[in-house]
Amino acid sequence: GDSVTQTEGLVTLTEGLPVMLNCTYQTIYSNPFLFWYVHYLNESPRLLLKSSTDNKRTEHQGFHATLHKSSSSFHLQKSSAQLSDSALYYCALSVEGSNAKLTFGKGTKLSVKS
Amino acid sequence: DMKVTQMPRYLIKRMGENVLLECGQDMSHETMYWYRQDPGLGLQLIYISYDVDSNSEGDIPKGYRVSRKKREHFSLILDSAKTNQTSVYFCASSSRLGVNYAEQFFGPGTRLTVL
Repeated sequence: GDSVTQTEGLVTLTEGLPVMLNCTYQTIYSNPFLFWYVHYLNESPRLLLKSSTDNKRTEHQGFHATLHKSSSSFHLQKSSAQLSDSALYYCALSVEGSNAKLTFGKGTKLSVKS
Repeated sequence: DMKVTQMPRYLIKRMGENVLLECGQDMSHETMYWYRQDPGLGLQLIYISYDVDSNSEGDIPKGYRVSRKKREHFSLILDSAKTNQTSVYFCASSSRLGVNYAEQFFGPGTRLTVL
């Protein structure tokens, strides 16, 4: 079946350094839909960005990601981490046969310190 | 105001007791979900509902059942709760438009502790 693999566990960064959270996926379908959801402490998880277009950069709130079908990747990046970026980040996959279900990765906790 | 609500927000139950978690949404979304979130396991789908009385098992349905009698409400029921059902439960909803690309809107979560 479909699967999503993310950078495992906790990523700790110093404020101002670049952020890169890895996400790779496996599916037999040729047209995947990839999502990044962010979950801040004491808030609801919410969509950060999504893409279904190969090799096109998508951006939102300072974060960006590019779907690369050749490497089955959708890494999340930001040029300069802020303290407020500390959160749990989920990469998720949907395909044509998903029937509205998402396959989530296990999540990466990002902790940004001063 | 687009919102998903969950009640209660915190709940402590004893093993063997019944648990009812409730979810509401004001966006007229056809599709609703129940997830549980555990450290290191991420968000796991328990049940999905495509509309009133149209429910389908997710990845971990054992020990849970659901009810959807109105489009805006979706309930998760634990009959005879177990300690391993201690978790944070999230409800979500999404529109059927662009079904596999649609954004899911999440509620604030219910933290359930089963003693």
